[in-house]
Amino acid sequence: KNEVEQSPQNLTAQEGEFITINCSYSVGISALHWLQQHPGGGIVSLFMLSSGKKKHGRLIATINIQEKHSSLHITASHPRDSAVYICAVRSDSNYQLIWGAGTKLIIKP
Amino acid sequence: DGGITQSPKYLFRKEGQNVTLSCEQNLNHDAMYWYRQDPGQGLRLIYYSQIVNDFQKGDIAEGYSVSREKKESFPLTVTSAQKNPTAFYLCASSAHWYGYTFGSGTRLTVV
Repeated sequence: KNEVEQSPQNLTAQEGEFITINCSYSVGISALHWLQQHPGGGIVSLFMLSSGKKKHGRLIATINIQEKHSSLHITASHPRDSAVYICAVRSDSNYQLIWGAGTKLIIKP
Repeated sequence: DGGITQSPKYLFRKEGQNVTLSCEQNLNHDAMYWYRQDPGQGLRLIYYSQIVNDFQKGDIAEGYSVSREKKESFPLTVTSAQKNPTAFYLCASSAHWYGYTFGSGTRLTVV
């Protein structure tokens, strides 16, 4: 079993829908990252979390340390949100980054 | 503002040529990392360095070399020994007690 699991693997939704992408992990962590990658594009860091909740524009990220779970929400989704969203956690034992496989999101107009 | 600069964003090279990817940070971070991503795949660790003049192999170091002569810089050379060099390469840095900062990546195409 992978140490970082993302769900769903693929998600297609209509413009305007509320989107949730989940990330579960099985190791102790010091931080969790959410990143965005557009097709053929570079990586953009969205959030770094160690507790609670963060919001930036239409994006909200939450983390529950006890349950070892994080969610990324997108409100009022737009076709430009179509991208791969990647969760990565920093292990608190060796400080290395453990990557999720990514969630491919497609927002249809 | 502090951050990581990777250059160039897109790079084309002929097969058999060595190519060096640049990664510079002004965050005063001790640790730096290189990752590789193949199409439709997750990121994998190539090399990392936790201190100047020291670096360790990651999961897929074969065909790559690095140097860490300065704290700010961690260049990655893709050698001709790397069988499938076409990929997306991501550089990152970290302070030991917290999270990571990421570059935007370099997309290398070998023709």
